[in-house]
Amino acid sequence: QVTLRESGPALVKPTQTLTLTCTFSGFSLSTSGMCVSWIRQPPGKALEWLARIDWDDDKYYSTSLKTRLTISKDTSKNQVVLTMTNMDPVDTATYYCARGPTMVRGVITTPFDYWGQGTLVTVSS
Amino acid sequence: EIVLTQSPGTLSLSPGERATLSCRASQSVSSSYLAWYQQKPGQAPRLLIYGASSRATGIPDRFSGSGSGTDFTLTISRLEPEDFAVYYCQQYGSSPRWTFGQGTKVEIK
Repeated sequence: QVTLRESGPALVKPTQTLTLTCTFSGFSLSTSGMCVSWIRQPPGKALEWLARIDWDDDKYYSTSLKTRLTISKDTSKNQVVLTMTNMDPVDTATYYCARGPTMVRGVITTPFDYWGQGTLVTVSS
Repeated sequence: EIVLTQSPGTLSLSPGERATLSCRASQSVSSSYLAWYQQKPGQAPRLLIYGASSRATGIPDRFSGSGSGTDFTLTISRLEPEDFAVYYCQQYGSSPRWTFGQGTKVEIK
């Protein structure tokens, strides 16, 4: 059974750095073809993909946010961590981690097939 | 970056009716790497369709996807009460910088 759970602060102040942790079970990020991504959703708005980390430690970031994002993994703990610097009120959103994509021999088989329940982060002084 | 435009913004239908949702891409989506997700209030999105037309595990066959290139469609053949939700398309093509559409809300008429 695959599960993911996000954790982190519910409230951060402008200019602070946000650190979110995704703790997962039911799969291993050391398995070839496995990846974990972060996606966010401002209240009442659409989804926005933020970052992805692959089993081989390759990392990818949203073009518009890449200077502020860092993604890392701790395979032994089954965790993926996302940091976002210089937080602003417009970054207020529910942040999700999701398994995906999954790949076989470099070919994507499925996108985001399992999601955490999300964590709401509010940026306010 | 590929921009996805979903239409209509809101679809007002009755249970039992057919729903047709559109997703148009600003450039061709490689290998039909187009997915559809369903999201209900307070819940995470759920994967419905991937590869433009493959149903994810456990998804009822009243949900179907079609299309290629820049035009894709999600069809719900007969709406059940639990199908009223917001639906998002997503492209996951060759670029790892993936994008979502702005969503279509299917509401009860």
